[in-house]
Amino acid sequence: QKEVEQNSGPLSVPEGAIASLNCTYSDRGSQSFFWYRQYSGKSPELIMFIYSNGDKEDGRFTAQLNKASQYVSLLIRDSQPSDSATYLCAVTSGGSYIPTFGRGTSLIVHP
Amino acid sequence: KAGVTQTPRYLIKTRGQQVTLSCSPISGHRSVSWYQQTPGQGLQFLFEYFSETQRNKGNFPGRFSGRQFSNSRSEMNVSTLELGDSALYLCASSYSGTRVSTDTQYFGPGTRLTVL
Repeated sequence: QKEVEQNSGPLSVPEGAIASLNCTYSDRGSQSFFWYRQYSGKSPELIMFIYSNGDKEDGRFTAQLNKASQYVSLLIRDSQPSDSATYLCAVTSGGSYIPTFGRGTSLIVHP
Repeated sequence: KAGVTQTPRYLIKTRGQQVTLSCSPISGHRSVSWYQQTPGQGLQFLFEYFSETQRNKGNFPGRFSGRQFSNSRSEMNVSTLELGDSALYLCASSYSGTRVSTDTQYFGPGTRLTVL
């Protein structure tokens, strides 16, 4: 059973701070890693994806992947109240292109 | 390019009834996946269709079924509705669903189903 684990939170950070969201996965053969943002009552929206070890930056967002530790994280710099949402981590493993989703971490950015 | 569309957006049914939900993928996308999202279970995979064929199936009972048409539009059907079927049903499309390193799923707005 492939598992993707996320701390449900809520993670509360002040405006302007760095929010760090973490995700661990059980399948060592996992290949692709995705971060989605989901506002309350809305559908998940793709933020970014990462395939290789290391960091990938896109604007205020940085995804970090460490396959040896089976760990992927999402950093949000200069957090804004509009970043308040649930962040879903999704992982695909070799041989399957259907992602397994974590249950998400609720982020609250307070002014 | 238009996004994924789903109809209807909201639906209220009673136990025992059946329901059909519709999904139109992004133009050019041939893979359509369906998910059920509930507060208790999170996002759970139902099934995936590609070229009118079901390619993958999650662990849901046979009451949940789907199909895909030649234009890639997809429908899912739930028969004999139960209270526990109340959920947000999400459709996601991707180009082919096979090239893991480059393919990503884009979600529609979802259909909120309430079973009374």
